[in-house]
Amino acid sequence: AQSVTQPDIHITVSEGASLELRCNYSYGATPYLFWYVQSPGQGLQLLLKYFSGDTLVQGIKGFEAEFKRSQSSFNLRKPSVHWSDAAEYFCAVLYGSGNTGKRIFGLGTTLHVKP
Amino acid sequence: NAGVMQNPRHLVRRRGQEARLRCSPMKGHSHVYWYRQLPEEGLKFMVYLQKENIIDESGMPKERFSAEFPKEGPSILRIQQVVRGDSAAYFCASSPPGRSNNEQFFGPGTRLTVL
Repeated sequence: AQSVTQPDIHITVSEGASLELRCNYSYGATPYLFWYVQSPGQGLQLLLKYFSGDTLVQGIKGFEAEFKRSQSSFNLRKPSVHWSDAAEYFCAVLYGSGNTGKRIFGLGTTLHVKP
Repeated sequence: NAGVMQNPRHLVRRRGQEARLRCSPMKGHSHVYWYRQLPEEGLKFMVYLQKENIIDESGMPKERFSAEFPKEGPSILRIQQVVRGDSAAYFCASSPPGRSNNEQFFGPGTRLTVL
């Protein structure tokens, strides 16, 4: 079955430290891949997306993600975390052509930032 | 250009009552998606609608839940005879017509609490 796995439920990093959030998917072909951020009480905001081409994609707020086909991964990175980055992060995939557009989401990773 | 609007933001219902959640898509968007976020879980797709048509309802519970997107007015997600297990955040997303991988813009959500 198609699925998205975010292995880390919670991650704590110090402000200024680097960050990597993991995401793995299961699917035979290359899906469309997304990362969203959700602040408490808010909706989801798209950080970045990968459809094809360069496997390293740049997003908003200084985030980037790298698609690795051999590992079925799409990990999110940021070189220096700010306190305002504390939020919940969701990886999502869109499978297949002709899909109606529904995303499949991981369970999310909550990022805590220490001062 | 206003974003996706959802109301109410918070809704409290007693068991057995009806809940009606509204979603106004962004201007020019004719596609609406509803997702449900249960506590400690990621978002789960419920239904995809275009104006006056349900395109994909594979994520909708078979009973008590219905959705519509009339020619005029907002999309409505209706839950009849609510139970405690319906307590969740319900998010609406809209996208412009065209490809299934078009960006979906999320609303702030409606948080339903069933007493």
